[in-house]
Amino acid sequence: EADIYQTPRYLVIGTGKKITLECSQTMGHDKMYWYQQDPGMELHLIHYSYGVNSTEKGDLSSESTVSRIRTEHFPLTLESARPSHTSQYLCASKGSAGNTEAFFGQGTRLTVV
Amino acid sequence: TQLLEQSPQFLSIQEGENLTVYCNSSSVFSSLQWYRQEPGEGPVLLVTVVTGGEVKKLKRLTFQFGDARKDSSLHITAAQPGDTGLYLCAGPGSGGSNYKLTFGKGTLLTVNP
Repeated sequence: EADIYQTPRYLVIGTGKKITLECSQTMGHDKMYWYQQDPGMELHLIHYSYGVNSTEKGDLSSESTVSRIRTEHFPLTLESARPSHTSQYLCASKGSAGNTEAFFGQGTRLTVV
Repeated sequence: TQLLEQSPQFLSIQEGENLTVYCNSSSVFSSLQWYRQEPGEGPVLLVTVVTGGEVKKLKRLTFQFGDARKDSSLHITAAQPGDTGLYLCAGPGSGGSNYKLTFGKGTLLTVNP
């Protein structure tokens, strides 16, 4: 069973609010990822990290920011939420070898009204 | 960015039928992975293929990695409603970006009873 957790599971918030989506893993993985996904559609990589104090932007441009101060924690922040940010956000982690399994959290479904 | 093209994008079949879905790229991958995602959950790893020409079987699922390591296929025999889900292929980035994990757009499979 994967030891990676995302909170909250669901979030409905008004336009202009600042939000932070939490992601934590207890597997000691160096690599962590944030993906954005609409229901039944592809996963878009928006941020990734290969270790503490390392963060990179992914393939899809995003107004969100991330930080990696501790190995186990990779939060995502939106300074000012907009309806266009409505989506599902999935966090994942994997070990160092290139072909190891990626473990996903259950996701946060964000709705901005 | 190494792109993974999946086909078909949508597939709806009757229980008991066989099917094949494809994952293609113009780039060579050191490995490819297949994940299945059910509604409301994160993707879960099915298999990792590493060697060109490799064939792996997982019950009724057969995975093949192309000889040139640019493509992969997933064949399901006698599909069941429980096979319904989004099937995603994924591969690591190349060179200095080998810690990226990029997904194809996925094949959304529906198996009708």
